[in-house]
Amino acid sequence: AQKITQTQPGMFVQEKEAVTLDCTYDTSDPSYGLFWYKQPSSGEMIFLIYQGSYDQQNATEGRYSLNFQKARKSANLVISASQLGDSAMYFCAMREQSTGANNLFFGTGTRLTVIP
Amino acid sequence: DVKVTQSSRYLVKRTGEKVFLECVQDMDHENMFWYRQDPGLGLRLIYFSYDVKMKEKGDIPEGYSVSREKKERFSLILESASTNQTSMYLCASSSPSVGQPYGYTFGSGTRLTVV
Repeated sequence: AQKITQTQPGMFVQEKEAVTLDCTYDTSDPSYGLFWYKQPSSGEMIFLIYQGSYDQQNATEGRYSLNFQKARKSANLVISASQLGDSAMYFCAMREQSTGANNLFFGTGTRLTVIP
Repeated sequence: DVKVTQSSRYLVKRTGEKVFLECVQDMDHENMFWYRQDPGLGLRLIYFSYDVKMKEKGDIPEGYSVSREKKERFSLILESASTNQTSMYLCASSSPSVGQPYGYTFGSGTRLTVV
């Protein structure tokens, strides 16, 4: 079974609008962390935001927020006030504490295109 | 500025060649990882290492091996390159604590083409 599922291969958003990128996860580990990364066309993976499984509040980092619904096992990324520079691939990832070496499991990604 | 450096940005190799992809980190991280990225498949873990000379198979280790002789360097080896290994390869390192979520750092990637 997939540990991370991203069901939106591509998304479009108008500049200055908000957009939600979906992510669901599957784990039986009570301690885990959820990450979102941005990958522009240049290829580097840029860390955006992190949510721990025991965190009581949804994580926020500037224009990025994570809508964490633990019971539904979802961790959607919300980007507010989209900018042209937000056009990129976005990956959701999870780390389970039980894996020891803390490798990340990635989803298949969502390509976001911001329209002027 | 801390970073992970991958020695080549683009590589073109012939089928059957032995290929070395090098990755160096300057953060004194214990953990290092090699991922392969393909369209529609996301990033898949090939191998990881949690200490010098230690290695563990990831999800897709077939056709690959790794070497970690020094803490800062993690090499991915394609023993006999094949066209189905044409891909983007990403190296990453991390600190071992779950309580340090910002500990993952990725290299810029190596785009390998096998002809």
